[in-house]
Amino acid sequence: DAKTTQPNSMESNEEEPVHLPCNHSTISGTDYIHWYRQLPSQGPEYVIHGLTSNVNNRMASLAIAEDRKSSTLILHRATLRDAAVYYCILRSGNQFYFGTGTSLTVIP
Amino acid sequence: GAGVSQSPSNKVTEKGKDVELRCDPISGHTALYWYRQRLGQGLEFLIYFQGNSAPDKSGLPSDRFSAERTGESVSTLTIQRTQQEDSAVYLCASSLGARDTETQYFGPGTRLLVL
Repeated sequence: DAKTTQPNSMESNEEEPVHLPCNHSTISGTDYIHWYRQLPSQGPEYVIHGLTSNVNNRMASLAIAEDRKSSTLILHRATLRDAAVYYCILRSGNQFYFGTGTSLTVIP
Repeated sequence: GAGVSQSPSNKVTEKGKDVELRCDPISGHTALYWYRQRLGQGLEFLIYFQGNSAPDKSGLPSDRFSAERTGESVSTLTIQRTQQEDSAVYLCASSLGARDTETQYFGPGTRLLVL
């Protein structure tokens, strides 16, 4: 199974960077690492994905360890609207394993 | 453009009744997924449709659950003889194709409560 491990919850002050870690020690060579987030009472939304190299987009950055067994989602300046559950996901066949994610609280 | 829509938004039913949940994917998206999310939990994969291929039903929890998809359009998830443990949010997602890099676009979900 392509499983991931994340902390249950994290807190950040508004306007500060947030580093959300994820362990995926069973990752295979062709697995992409996906991150989604779920705001309260909404369906998940795409954040970012990567394979080996670090990735940047308008929402976040993804730092991938050299051995690919862990990754970190980086929100450069947390805002109150970033409060959500963040899921680190691997795909195995047709299935995406979402796990329970990290609940991020942003403190004003 | 229009996103993924699901209906009904909320459904309350009595134990033992059948329910049908509907998903309208984004037009042109060939892949469609159903997930279940129990309160405070992550998403559980249920079933996956890709074009005209046979669906991947490996996540369906019991034979009371079934799903159909008409071509590359609407999908329905049916739960027969509902049980209280079926209470959850049922989420549908679609993607343009089936590659590993494809983004899934989620609907708002159907909140099912079985009394």
